[in-house]
Amino acid sequence: DAKTTQPNSMESNEEEPVHLPCNHSTISGTDYIHWYRQLPSQGPEYVIHGLTSNVNNRMASLAIAEDRKSSTLILHRATLRDAAVYYCILRDAGYQKVTFGTGTKLQVIP
Amino acid sequence: KAGVTQTPRYLIKTRGQQVTLSCSPISGHRSVSWYQQTPGQGLQFLFEYFSETQRNKGNFPGRFSGRQFSNSRSEMNVSTLELGDSALYLCASSLNTGKPYEQYFGPGTRLTVT
Repeated sequence: DAKTTQPNSMESNEEEPVHLPCNHSTISGTDYIHWYRQLPSQGPEYVIHGLTSNVNNRMASLAIAEDRKSSTLILHRATLRDAAVYYCILRDAGYQKVTFGTGTKLQVIP
Repeated sequence: KAGVTQTPRYLIKTRGQQVTLSCSPISGHRSVSWYQQTPGQGLQFLFEYFSETQRNKGNFPGRFSGRQFSNSRSEMNVSTLELGDSALYLCASSLNTGKPYEQYFGPGTRLTVT
């Protein structure tokens, strides 16, 4: 299974942009890149996903490298509610099976 | 629309017993996946069900099994519990399968094996 590598933790000041990196050098052509986040004592929450092109939604933006071996989740203005563990995930197009990385714990400083 | 619900939320069992966990997906969702989350191993995929059929399975022993009913509700069963089975078990539902539909997770069932 393809694996992802993320920094264990990151800090950001409130209302500043945050760039969360993810390496997935063994990604296959049919793997979609998904990001989920998990707040304390809750199940993971979907954030965004993409295949090749950069994606934007109301929560975040996803920048995907041209060779697809890395991606970056961008939170445009971090708030205290964004403090969570962020998981970069690869999902095969044909199945729901996913490979979760270790995640990045984001701390937002007021 | 109600979210994914899991019952029970907390459970304490003794080694050697078996346990059944229940998951009710979001109305209209037909795919249900199960995950195990532990501090040491993180989030690991157990299996996915769609239209009462198991579509995919993670690398877990046969003691872990599941099923899905015609109303899309799902149960997972763990037999002959071991101490290492203590974990948060998460259920996630999605509208369909075969495409990268986003998954909606429930709050989980915290299982403690003593």
